[in-house]
Amino acid sequence: AQSVTQLDSHVSVSEGTPVLLRCNYSSSYSPSLFWYVQHPNKGLQLLLKYTSAATLVKGINGFEAEFKKSETSFHLTKPSAHMSDAAEYFCVVTGGYNKLIFGAGTRLAVHP
Amino acid sequence: EAQVTQNPRYLITVTGKKLTVTCSQNMNHEYMSWYRQDPGLGLRQIYYSMNVEVTDKGDVPEGYKVSRKEKRNFPLILESPSPNQTSLYFCASSSERKFYEQYFGPGTRLTVT
Repeated sequence: AQSVTQLDSHVSVSEGTPVLLRCNYSSSYSPSLFWYVQHPNKGLQLLLKYTSAATLVKGINGFEAEFKKSETSFHLTKPSAHMSDAAEYFCVVTGGYNKLIFGAGTRLAVHP
Repeated sequence: EAQVTQNPRYLITVTGKKLTVTCSQNMNHEYMSWYRQDPGLGLRQIYYSMNVEVTDKGDVPEGYKVSRKEKRNFPLILESPSPNQTSLYFCASSSERKFYEQYFGPGTRLTVT
């Protein structure tokens, strides 16, 4: 069965410092992995996707994620946080035919 | 503008009073889905639809019904709401070819007392 674990429920950083949001996955086959972002009082938006092409994936707003099969990880990074990055981030794995499985979410706070 | 709309955005109701949350998309998407979001649990799928008249259960379908009579609309029906259905609900749509790239509505916050 497919699952995702987001290792931190809350992450707090200062503006201008790097962001690291951690995600481990479990899958019985080669998965497709995604990060979605949810800004306050908004719906979710696709941030980036990995679908078995390049292992380093670039997304919107300067975010990147690296697929590491040996570590079963798909961590999200950004070199320099901006105040507008404050949001909740979800790591997502495909769970079979037309199904997405969401992690519990990581709330990112960015302080001036 | 491509969008998914949900109504109402906020709803407070009482146990047992039937309600419907509407969802509509203007992107001609085949795939539509309903999720509920609860703290610490992420999003869990309630029902999904691959196309008109084709619906199937997700992970937490108990207490909910859906229908897909038109391609653009996918209403969520709670026949007899209970307090454990208090949650934040999201509708999403996507093309069949890229079902993982889902477009989400703004959410409906439901409180059942």
